[in-house]
Amino acid sequence: DADVTQTPRNRITKTGKRIMLECSQTKGHDRMYWYRQDPGLGLRLIYYSFDVKDINKGEISDGYSVSRQAQAKFSLSLESAIPNQTALYFCATSVNTAPYEQYFGPGTRLTVT
Amino acid sequence: AQSVAQPEDQVNVAEGNPLTVKCTYSVSGNPYLFWYVQYPNRGLQFLLKYITGDNLVKGSYGFEAEFNKSQTSFHLKKPSALVSDSALYFCAVRARGNNNDMRFGAGTRLTVKP
Repeated sequence: DADVTQTPRNRITKTGKRIMLECSQTKGHDRMYWYRQDPGLGLRLIYYSFDVKDINKGEISDGYSVSRQAQAKFSLSLESAIPNQTALYFCATSVNTAPYEQYFGPGTRLTVT
Repeated sequence: AQSVAQPEDQVNVAEGNPLTVKCTYSVSGNPYLFWYVQYPNRGLQFLLKYITGDNLVKGSYGFEAEFNKSQTSFHLKKPSALVSDSALYFCAVRARGNNNDMRFGAGTRLTVKP
């Protein structure tokens, strides 16, 4: 987990506020991902990036945006937070060769009131 | 489209007994399959993967998983459970190809009782 770090680890924010979650990695991987975890739903992919110039939407990208500032940094933004975005958010990286197993950060617990 | 089903929300076993956590998948073509474990307040940790070859895959902490193509299953197993194995387990599938993403199951909470 230390190879993939996320800040903040916990955040409480109010409806309508803009918030950014940050992810950094020292694994040297090109591929990075953002997921959210909700009880009973597992992990759902929000956005992913295969390199600095490549950004792709996942299955639940509405209400979120991302920025890939460098190979090692991938941030997730909620432009106007709403309560149903309360969840545990994970950043992950993966190797560039098959089968592309992923390595996860420790997560950010976000609460929107 | 690819998907994963973990039919059991909760699995309870006694310490020392064998454990099985079930996973079935749907994907076009031959899959890559994975198991991850999540301990409280931690991120997911990679346990094992299936790429090709032997249907029985061995991973970390004494876990193994059996790939069954005809049943489209990839069940996680351990011969003798430990209390410390108690955690949330996720199965994941990825279709072959460079640009496919990974899909996760909903998770199974394993509780091992002394």
